[in-house]
Amino acid sequence: DIQMTQSPSSLSASVGDRVTITCQASQDINIYLNWYQQKPGKAPKLLIYDASNLETGVPSRFSGSGSGTDFTFTISSLQPEDIATYYCQQYNNLPLTFGGGTKVEIK
Amino acid sequence: EVQLVESGGGLVQPGRSLRLSCTASGFSFGDYPISWVRQAPGKGLERVGFIRSKAYGGTAEYAASVKGRFTISRDDSISIAYLQMNSLKTEDTAVYYCTRDRVHCGGGSCYSSRFDYWGQGTLVTVSS
Repeated sequence: DIQMTQSPSSLSASVGDRVTITCQASQDINIYLNWYQQKPGKAPKLLIYDASNLETGVPSRFSGSGSGTDFTFTISSLQPEDIATYYCQQYNNLPLTFGGGTKVEIK
Repeated sequence: EVQLVESGGGLVQPGRSLRLSCTASGFSFGDYPISWVRQAPGKGLERVGFIRSKAYGGTAEYAASVKGRFTISRDDSISIAYLQMNSLKTEDTAVYYCTRDRVHCGGGSCYSSRFDYWGQGTLVTVSS
């Protein structure tokens, strides 16, 4: 199985800050990576697919980049409503696997 | 509007069975693969399995942790997917989500790539 390692596991930032989360795959997964946001008590929501494509309706302050084994998710200007846990997920191989999550809090 | 609604969760004793349902609306259900993804309390996400659309054979695949115990099926005529869970263990305690998936084809097979819509989830508690 492909292991997905996210870092950091949690972070605290101020409103307006640039926030960056990384996701590393245990093997080359091309661009086959997605990012999800999960707010407390809610289902996850797809934000980014194929490493860098913004899902319809998702604010442009969210972005993704990377290919191969190293990927980055960025919030350009953190907003209070962005408080959530973010997960990466690969689909290069079955089984599809998720990273462990990054909890984002407001400082 | 795309909607997925899970039902059937609850408290069940270890070793017993439970069937979850995922009722879909707002899209052509039969054209999409459907996954079941679970989240244990305070933990991350794990996909337990998925079922392909009939166009891709309608077959299902499962995570190693549930293979042989869980079965996914679908009834496209009424837009419902099912997760039959047998021989439940305490470690199966989780919120179970169904998802609508998009398809990726590569390496000679087609399977889910991303989960673009999620239900609200249903809690399954396995405890004596």
